[in-house]
Amino acid sequence: KNQVEQSPQSLIILEGKNCTLQCNYTVSPFSNLRWYKQDTGRGPVSLTIMTFSENTKSNGRYTATLDADTKQSSLHITASQLSDSASYICVVRPTSGTYKYIFGTGTRLKVLA
Amino acid sequence: EPEVTQTPSHQVTQMGQEVILRCVPISNHLYFYWYRQILGQKVEFLVSFYNNEISEKSEIFDDQFSVERPDGSNFTLKIRSTKLEDSAMYFCASRRESSYNEQFFGPGTRLTVL
Repeated sequence: KNQVEQSPQSLIILEGKNCTLQCNYTVSPFSNLRWYKQDTGRGPVSLTIMTFSENTKSNGRYTATLDADTKQSSLHITASQLSDSASYICVVRPTSGTYKYIFGTGTRLKVLA
Repeated sequence: EPEVTQTPSHQVTQMGQEVILRCVPISNHLYFYWYRQILGQKVEFLVSFYNNEISEKSEIFDDQFSVERPDGSNFTLKIRSTKLEDSAMYFCASRRESSYNEQFFGPGTRLTVL
């Protein structure tokens, strides 16, 4: 069964610190993997998109990595800010023939001053 | 910057009533989606829509659900006879032609079924 699992479920860090969020997926084959940021009560906002052939993608302080062999991805946040407090969701699109994007349960990040 | 909009932001309805959730996708986008997110759970795909027809739907999207793009601008999700378990946030999303393009999500409509 195609699944996307994320860890940790929640994370609390101090402002200015770095953190890494993990995503493991069993989707195969897959077209692309995306990381989204979702503020409470809002729609997800795309951070990065990677195809199976890409290993890393950066967007400002966000850097995503992908290991298609082990089916793992990570999102690294550098120098966290209070505004980074949100849920971070890993999303996998199984193949180019389907629109059924599979969402992970997300990691809820809280950045404290 | 163009964005996806959704109305209403919050809809309260009685069980068994029909509701219509409205979305205005970004104007040059061609693919449209509806997702739902039950409180505290993950986002779930409902349906995708392209070229004025459903291209794919999930098991959740049963006969009680329908989508329409009535005027080339709005994209609607109708639930014919709401159930308590339909209470959730409903997100509309749209994207351009390429499958690599990102989806842009709307702010969501919170549906509460009493």
